[in-house]
Amino acid sequence: AQSVAQPEDQVNVAEGNPLTVKCTYSVSGNPYLFWYVQYPNRGLQFLLKYITGDNLVKGSYGFEAEFNKSQTSFHLKKPSALVSDSALYFCAGFGNEKLTFGTGTRLTIIP
Amino acid sequence: DTEVTQTPKHLVMGMTNKKSLKCEQHMGHRAMYWYKQKAKKPPELMFVYSYEKLSINESVPSRFSPECPNSSLLNLHLHALQPEDSALYLCASSQVAPAGSYGYTFGSGTRLTVV
Repeated sequence: AQSVAQPEDQVNVAEGNPLTVKCTYSVSGNPYLFWYVQYPNRGLQFLLKYITGDNLVKGSYGFEAEFNKSQTSFHLKKPSALVSDSALYFCAGFGNEKLTFGTGTRLTIIP
Repeated sequence: DTEVTQTPKHLVMGMTNKKSLKCEQHMGHRAMYWYKQKAKKPPELMFVYSYEKLSINESVPSRFSPECPNSSLLNLHLHALQPEDSALYLCASSQVAPAGSYGYTFGSGTRLTVV
């Protein structure tokens, strides 16, 4: 079975603080994992992906994600949040020939 | 060109109308997808085209009719829609299907309102 879970519907972070958006996965075989960001009334923008190799993946706009096989997690992180990071974030995993999305996390950066 | 272009950006249609959504990419991708996204929900897969042939139909009602005239173009024909079909319709492409590690490129979507 292939599934991706985002346990937090909403995350609030003060500007300048580090941020984490959580994602856990359940897949058979090697996981292909992705993070996308969506701004209001816009499509999905690719941030980063994990395929294999280093557990720390660096992506667009200063975001990075840490793949943890033992905890089956793929949390999105950024060292210093910007107000412009406020958006809806989706974790996704590829399996059974399809891309499966988590339910999304609304990230709000407070000035 | 690294984009997926969708037109129109917004569409309002009556329940008896016929309209079409258009999606175009020039990245040489051979797989194209339609997703439906309701407000504050994740995208849901509707159709997958691989090498211009329909490979996956996620039990979508027949009032939605996809078409892939060539490898760069994907259409979604709409007829006799219901208000509950109002949503953001996203097009995506990938190098091949299944995409696996290649990932997907998404368009900005068409915001559809059925009245």
